Amino acid sequence: SQTIHQWPATLVQPVGSPLSLECTVEGTSNPNLYWYRQAAGRGLQLLFYSVGIGQISSEVPQNLSASRPQDRQFILSSKKLLLSDSGFYLCAGLGGTGNTEAFFGQGTRLTVV
Amino acid sequence: AQSVSQHNHHVILSEAASLELGCNYSYGGTVNLFWYVQYPGQHLQLLLKYFSGDPLVKGIKGFEAEFIKSKFSFNLRKPSVQWSDTAEYFCAVMPGILYNNNDMRFGAGTRLTVKP
Repeated sequence: SQTIHQWPATLVQPVGSPLSLECTVEGTSNPNLYWYRQAAGRGLQLLFYSVGIGQISSEVPQNLSASRPQDRQFILSSKKLLLSDSGFYLCAGLGGTGNTEAFFGQGTRLTVV
Repeated sequence: AQSVSQHNHHVILSEAASLELGCNYSYGGTVNLFWYVQYPGQHLQLLLKYFSGDPLVKGIKGFEAEFIKSKFSFNLRKPSVQWSDTAEYFCAVMPGILYNNNDMRFGAGTRLTVKP
C-alpha cells in the first residue's frame, strides 16, 4: 500500500529563517504529489501539486516554493519564513494510473515565532 | 480552477440522530468526488468516492453520499450517528481523468461532534 513519510511532525522556527519540509512516498511510482496547508477553520488549501519530477504547479502566490527532485520526493521550502506561514502542512499523494484514492502524510505543525 | 464549499462548519448531534453534511463544487466538467474523515490525532482517510455510475455511493461505517449533477452537490449522509463518528469531514473534488488537470481540492471541512 502507498504511504507517505513526512517530517518533522512539529517545528518551531523564527521569523526570517529558512524552511524545508520533506515528504517521501513508498509503495507506488509516478504519483501525483500535493502540499496542502490547513489553517484553523479554513480547511485544506492546495499550495502546490506535481505530476512528475521537476514539474510543479503553484496555486497561490506566497512565500513558499516546492520542488520534486525525485519521483518519490516532494519538498516544501521557504527562504525566509513569515509569521503568517504558521499552520499545519500536509503532503498527499495519488498513486498510479487510475488510482484516485489519496494517501496522506502525518502532517507538520509549523509555528513561526 | 474548481472550488469546493462545505457550508456547515460545526455540527453537533446526539447519538442516533441522522446526519447530512453539504458539499457543493464549482467545475463544469466531469469530476471525481470524495469524502475524507479525520479522526482526532489520525491521518485523513477515505470514506467514499464517486467516479461514475450510480450516483448514490455507499462507503465505510454506514456513510453514503449522493451525487446530484444538476446541483453540483455531493452531500454526505448517515441515518444514525454514533459517538465514534466525532471527527472532521472533508469533501474533495478532482477533475475526471480525461482532463489534463490533476489538482485535488478540498472543502474547508465540517467538524462533527456527537454527544453520547
